[in-house]
Amino acid sequence: AQKITQTQPGMFVQEKEAVTLDCTYDTSDQSYGLFWYKQPSSGEMIFLIYQGSYDEQNATEGRYSLNFQKARKSANLVISASQLGDSAMYFCAMREGYNYGQNFVFGPGTRLSVLP
Amino acid sequence: GAVVSQHPSWVICKSGTSVKIECRSLDFQATTMFWYRQFPKQSLMLMATSNEGSKATYEQGVEKDKFLINHASLTLSTLTVTSAHPEDSSFYICSVPPPGLAKNIQYFGAGTRLSVL
Repeated sequence: AQKITQTQPGMFVQEKEAVTLDCTYDTSDQSYGLFWYKQPSSGEMIFLIYQGSYDEQNATEGRYSLNFQKARKSANLVISASQLGDSAMYFCAMREGYNYGQNFVFGPGTRLSVLP
Repeated sequence: GAVVSQHPSWVICKSGTSVKIECRSLDFQATTMFWYRQFPKQSLMLMATSNEGSKATYEQGVEKDKFLINHASLTLSTLTVTSAHPEDSSFYICSVPPPGLAKNIQYFGAGTRLSVL
């Protein structure tokens, strides 16, 4: 079964508007971490935001916020005031426990296109 | 600045040749590093775990004799694609987990785009 599901292969948003990228996850662990990475066409993986399973408040980093709904096992990324430079692939990822490697899995990704 | 340096960023080679990719941890020592492969329009898939001072651990389906990993020091891991073929053309990216349990960011190299002709 897929550990991370991103149901939107592609999304379009108008510049300056907000957009939500969906992510649901599957784990039986109590301790886990959820991550969002941005991958522009250059290929580098840019860390955006992190949410721990025990964090009670939703994480925010500048224009990025994570809508964490633990009971529904969802961790949607919200980008406010979209910019043209936000056009990229976005990956949701989960770390089960505190180790990486096999315990760190990526979703299939969502390609975001920001329209002028 | 960059925490992980990966070199080269782009390589083209002829079929049958070998290609070495380096991954360096710049800010801290790393006893473990990870190698991922990403095919076009797909997600990152873990290939192997590079362990300093011991053999690498490979994921199911990854040929260890084809993808040689050497973790020569606490700051350097290398991935050698031996006898490369066109189907090995892909984007290879390394990562370094954060030291200790306090931090929650895995650091990635900028990736290496391999094209085998």
